[in-house]
Amino acid sequence: GESVGLHLPTLSVQEGDNSIINCAYSNSASDYFIWYKQESGKGPQFIIDIRSNMDKRQGQRVTVLLNKTVKHLSLQIAATQPGDSAVYFCAENPQGNTPLVFGKGTRLSVIA
Amino acid sequence: DAGVIQSPRHEVTEMGQEVTLRCKPISGHNSLFWYRQTMMRGLELLIYFNNNVPIDDSGMPEDRFSAKMPNASFSTLKIQPSEPRDSAVYFCASSLVPGNTEAFFGQGTRLTVV
Repeated sequence: GESVGLHLPTLSVQEGDNSIINCAYSNSASDYFIWYKQESGKGPQFIIDIRSNMDKRQGQRVTVLLNKTVKHLSLQIAATQPGDSAVYFCAENPQGNTPLVFGKGTRLSVIA
Repeated sequence: DAGVIQSPRHEVTEMGQEVTLRCKPISGHNSLFWYRQTMMRGLELLIYFNNNVPIDDSGMPEDRFSAKMPNASFSTLKIQPSEPRDSAVYFCASSLVPGNTEAFFGQGTRLTVV
């Protein structure tokens, strides 16, 4: 029979609006977090990171917010552009020198 | 630096054949990771190396999969024999240390086993 694919949450945003992509992480001991962007046919690309001693970090048009109390991470993209259309992954570092653990991803679709 | 380089970009092979995927990490990076991405399971870690030594291969699906890192600038992921369910995009990534820092990804190898 036909296999069921992973259902990716999808966020559709009008060009010029702000986007907010959310991520719930699993390990309360995680101390480092990254957001990656993956465009079609490419590998994941680093956007921004944050360490657990911070609750907010800003980059160019992007802001990451960390709420350790509820184990929640969000990525805010200001003035969303068509080039922002991609799948966005959050990743956490659960313990010291161990590899990043990736979330399932959210697809952002920008409507021109 | 050219970033993480993977080859081939696309591979189509028949079931039962051996497949070898190649990766050149970023120079100076001590950690190398092999990931598999599918619609069903998302991005999964297969194995990672630190200073050319395999540290954790618990993500390798079964004995048909093997990975080597003979030196700091080259790694291979081999599937023998390949099966249709191995069809996926395989990514190699590298970083300075295993965690707590950004991992840089290659462009991936899209494997199709028919």
